[in-house]
Amino acid sequence: DVKVTQSSRYLVKRTGEKVFLECVQDMDHENMFWYRQDPGLGLRLIYFSYDVKMKEKGDIPEGYSVSREKKERFSLILESASTNQTSMYLCASTPYLKPGQGWSNTGELFFGEGSRLTVL
Amino acid sequence: KNEVEQSPQNLTAQEGEFITINCSYSVGISALHWLQQHPGGGIVSLFMLSSGKKKHGRLIATINIQEKHSSLHITASHPRDSAVYICAVTKSYGNNRLAFGKGNQVVVIP
Repeated sequence: DVKVTQSSRYLVKRTGEKVFLECVQDMDHENMFWYRQDPGLGLRLIYFSYDVKMKEKGDIPEGYSVSREKKERFSLILESASTNQTSMYLCASTPYLKPGQGWSNTGELFFGEGSRLTVL
Repeated sequence: KNEVEQSPQNLTAQEGEFITINCSYSVGISALHWLQQHPGGGIVSLFMLSSGKKKHGRLIATINIQEKHSSLHITASHPRDSAVYICAVTKSYGNNRLAFGKGNQVVVIP
């Protein structure tokens, strides 16, 4: 019954390495998100994709890039990992909701289990 | 100012007590979500609301669209309800971006 799958639960990388985090959803959702979660700071949006090949920067995009070549897959890339990117990374997906369309049970918000990245 | 504010930040209750946590938002929304995260665990969606009230087991969520306010109630609280409860909204503009509150830390003591 897994709906959003993240590729790795735990990763340890060295400063300067390139890091790929993958997220796959099986619900045909339009919207996919990458967040990082840090103690005391809550969930912060890194990037958002609302369709294949479409992306928008979130609140903290610096040092990150994303790829969405297929609807079900949204990848987060750290081009050159740094220690301040040590964090829990969470992927989420939802269907597209038009104003007034959220009046059903179908627009739930699904999260992956998270990927805890440590950069040494 | 955050678009989604939650209160109280921390709440401790005795087992069996009735718990209420609150969420206020300042943007137009298509939906409001209540999420639960246990210590060290993933985030699980409890409710998606657009109007009125929803109930699932001991959990009840209400929303007042005019006042831009939602509450999550836990009846007959149990230690396994100890978790962070996060309020999120799907914005009705800007391609469905989400806005999150900082969460309510709930601890239920046996």
